[in-house]
Amino acid sequence: DIRMTQSPASLSASLGETVNIECLASEDIYSDLAWYQQKPGKSPQLLIYNANSLQNGVPSRFSGSGSGTQYSLKINSLQSEDVATYFCQQYNNYPLTFGSGTKLEIK
Amino acid sequence: QVQLKESGPGLVQPSQTLSLTCTVSGLSLTSNSVSWIRQPPGKGLEWMGVIWSNGGTDYNSAIKSRLSISRDTSKSQVFLKMNSLQTEDTAMYFCARNPKGTDFDYWGQGVMVTVSS
Repeated sequence: DIRMTQSPASLSASLGETVNIECLASEDIYSDLAWYQQKPGKSPQLLIYNANSLQNGVPSRFSGSGSGTQYSLKINSLQSEDVATYFCQQYNNYPLTFGSGTKLEIK
Repeated sequence: QVQLKESGPGLVQPSQTLSLTCTVSGLSLTSNSVSWIRQPPGKGLEWMGVIWSNGGTDYNSAIKSRLSISRDTSKSQVFLKMNSLQTEDTAMYFCARNPKGTDFDYWGQGVMVTVSS
């Protein structure tokens, strides 16, 4: 199975700041990576697919980058509604696997 | 618009079988694949398995021996059955559209299942 190591596990930032969340795959996943946002008590919502493609309706302050085994999610101009847990997910190989999540809070 | 909704019992006894239903609207099961994903309280996400548009299935090897996914296309429903439940199977269970087995672009609201006597 491909292991997805996500960091940091938690993150506290101020409104308007830029934050980065990292995801490291245990092997090359050829940009077959998605990012999700999960707000408390809700189901996850797709933000980014193919490592850097923005899902329809997602604000442009979210962006994804990376290749090979290293990927990142960047949130510009942090807003209060961005408080959530973020997960990465690889779909290069089965079983589909997720990172352990990054909990983002506002300072 | 595309919608998925899970339903099933909230409480299952240990060693019993879990049966869940995912009812979809706004999409055809004969041209879309649907996965089941679960999330224990306060923990991460685990992909369980997928039913493809052609009716074939693939399962996570970790639970493959206990899991079965099927569908009724006439009712737009996908079914999950998992046997020999234990307390560690307590989780929120989600169904999600899984285009070509890649990401998950539409999710249901989830159904909480507690395994307890």
